[in-house]
Amino acid sequence: QKEVEQNSGPLSVPEGAIASLNCTYSDRGSQSFFWYRQYSGKSPELIMFIYSNGDKEDGRFTAQLNKASQYVSLLIRDSQPSDSATYLCAVNGDTGFQKLVFGTGTRLLVSP
Amino acid sequence: GAVVSQHPSWVICKSGTSVKIECRSLDFQATTMFWYRQFPKQSLMLMATSNEGSKATYEQGVEKDKFLINHASLTLSTLTVTSAHPEDSSFYICSASQTTDTQYFGPGTRLTVL
Repeated sequence: QKEVEQNSGPLSVPEGAIASLNCTYSDRGSQSFFWYRQYSGKSPELIMFIYSNGDKEDGRFTAQLNKASQYVSLLIRDSQPSDSATYLCAVNGDTGFQKLVFGTGTRLLVSP
Repeated sequence: GAVVSQHPSWVICKSGTSVKIECRSLDFQATTMFWYRQFPKQSLMLMATSNEGSKATYEQGVEKDKFLINHASLTLSTLTVTSAHPEDSSFYICSASQTTDTQYFGPGTRLTVL
């Protein structure tokens, strides 16, 4: 069974620090990788997606993908209290089929 | 862009009644829509995948006769919870994707069955 693993946290960081969120996946054939943010009581919101090995930056967010190690991460620079949420990693489960496999999420707490 | 709406945002119903939830893609045509359920402090659980004009594909353990899904157009999918019971109380979230596998989520519908 295809799996996506995340540390449930909480990951606590002070305001202004870099938060590093990690995710591993089991299916070596996975092609697409997503990070979603979910505030308590709300639905997930897409932050970033990455398809190729390496880094992809968007504002304060950087996604990092290492397919050889089956590892994807999300870095949040200059963390703000408003970044406090659960971050879900999602991986494309089947090539040509759009179903995603979600991790259980990492809860991030940014303290002022 | 990529806005998905859901209606209603919350609903309270009596046990035994049926509830319909609508999911619409507002500014794009969704070839595929997904329905998830999320219980408190738990992760998303995919219930079914639907493609416009064809029958939905349900995940293992999800009763297709209880959770009726209709994907009548490229912008609308509906989930009907039939004969709802208190254990069906949950947060139901739809998502939609176009030609890629990027999913955009609706705001969710909180269902409470009394």
